[in-house]
Amino acid sequence: QITLKESGPTLVIPTQTLTLTCTFSGFSVRTNGVGVGWIRQPPGKALEWLALIYWDDDKRYNPSLKNRLTITKDTSKNQVVLRMTNTDPVDTATYYCAYRLQNFGPAAFAYWGQGTLVTVSP
Amino acid sequence: QSVLTQPPSASGTPGQRVTMSCSGSSSNIGNNYAYWYQQLPGTAPKLLIYSNDQRPSGVPDRFSGSKSGTSASLAISGLRSEDEADYYCAAWDDSLRGPVFGGGTKVTVL
Repeated sequence: QITLKESGPTLVIPTQTLTLTCTFSGFSVRTNGVGVGWIRQPPGKALEWLALIYWDDDKRYNPSLKNRLTITKDTSKNQVVLRMTNTDPVDTATYYCAYRLQNFGPAAFAYWGQGTLVTVSP
Repeated sequence: QSVLTQPPSASGTPGQRVTMSCSGSSSNIGNNYAYWYQQLPGTAPKLLIYSNDQRPSGVPDRFSGSKSGTSASLAISGLRSEDEADYYCAAWDDSLRGPVFGGGTKVTVL
């Protein structure tokens, strides 16, 4: 059974760095083809892909946010971490981590965490 | 502004067939698979369709996907009250080197 859960601060002061952790079970990020991504959703708005990390440590970032994002993985802890620098109130959103099921295609996020709401406010 | 374009809303009465579109470009839908996600109120998205027209295990066959050129479509036949949700299309984008999503279509069951 594959599960993912996001954790991190619920409130961030503007300009601070946001660090989110995705803790998962049911798969290993060392397995060939595995990918874990971060997607966010501002209140009442659409989904926006942020970053993706693969089993071989290949990393992809949304170009519009690339300079502010860093995604890493800790295979021993079964975690994927996303860091976002220089936060702004427009970064207020529910942040999801999701497991990409390789056999279903490159954009097939078949399992999602419950999401964590992060508010960026003074 | 989302990379993929979806109509903001669609509606139907129970039992009706509802369709929604997703328009992209040659860098995404035109040369890659289309995906559909269902997001019920207050919950995380759920993969509904992958590889244009394939349903993951457990997804009712009332949901069907198709693709033509740079556009994709999702149809819901035999509409039910529990289908009231937001539906997002997605695709891999070769230019952005990552997945892109549509703005979502809110389906209302009248």
